[in-house]
Amino acid sequence: GNSVTQMEGPVTLSEEAFLTINCTYTATGYPSLFWYVQYPGEGLQLLLKATKADDKGSNKGFEATYRKETTSFHLEKGSVQVSDSAVYFCALGVQGAQKLVFGQGTRLTINP
Amino acid sequence: GAVVSQHPSWVICKSGTSVKIECRSLDFQATTMFWYRQFPKQSLMLMATSNEGSKATYEQGVEKDKFLINHASLTLSTLTVTSAHPEDSSFYICSAESGGAQGEQFFGPGTRLTVL
Repeated sequence: GNSVTQMEGPVTLSEEAFLTINCTYTATGYPSLFWYVQYPGEGLQLLLKATKADDKGSNKGFEATYRKETTSFHLEKGSVQVSDSAVYFCALGVQGAQKLVFGQGTRLTINP
Repeated sequence: GAVVSQHPSWVICKSGTSVKIECRSLDFQATTMFWYRQFPKQSLMLMATSNEGSKATYEQGVEKDKFLINHASLTLSTLTVTSAHPEDSSFYICSAESGGAQGEQFFGPGTRLTVL
């Protein structure tokens, strides 16, 4: 079946540190891959996505590359800010974004 | 981006009662809405997919008589937890799809249900 495994949190970093949150997946076929972010008190928001192998999704300084050979979609940011503190979810989509399978979420806290 | 609201944001009820949660797409029409359940420190689990004007499609293991879903209009879907028990306590999240071949899902802020 389809599943997503992401790095367990919580993750705490200092401002301007480099961020990596690991995400690996198991899927039949060719899923789309997503990163969602949930800020306190808000709903999940799409951060970035990639729909095929070797695609790179990017937004707000975050990047993730769809790696079919390692079945991974790791999230990276070169210099994090306090405002990046949130919970990050990796997800794969079957039938585009129709049916989403989520990882367990990683809570990120950035200290000034 | 598009906005999805949920009401109530939190609810406490007694065991055996029913609770209705509303999900609304505020500035777009959603032909498809999704209901998820999230346990503490765990991922979101898809419960059901609802299309406007038709019966919801439930995921394996989700009791359709327990979790009644109604999608009466293009902007409103409701989830009713019938005869709630403490094990139904959870965070319920809805999303609405904006349509198109690669329609993006927009998520509501969630509803925390506590059953005493």
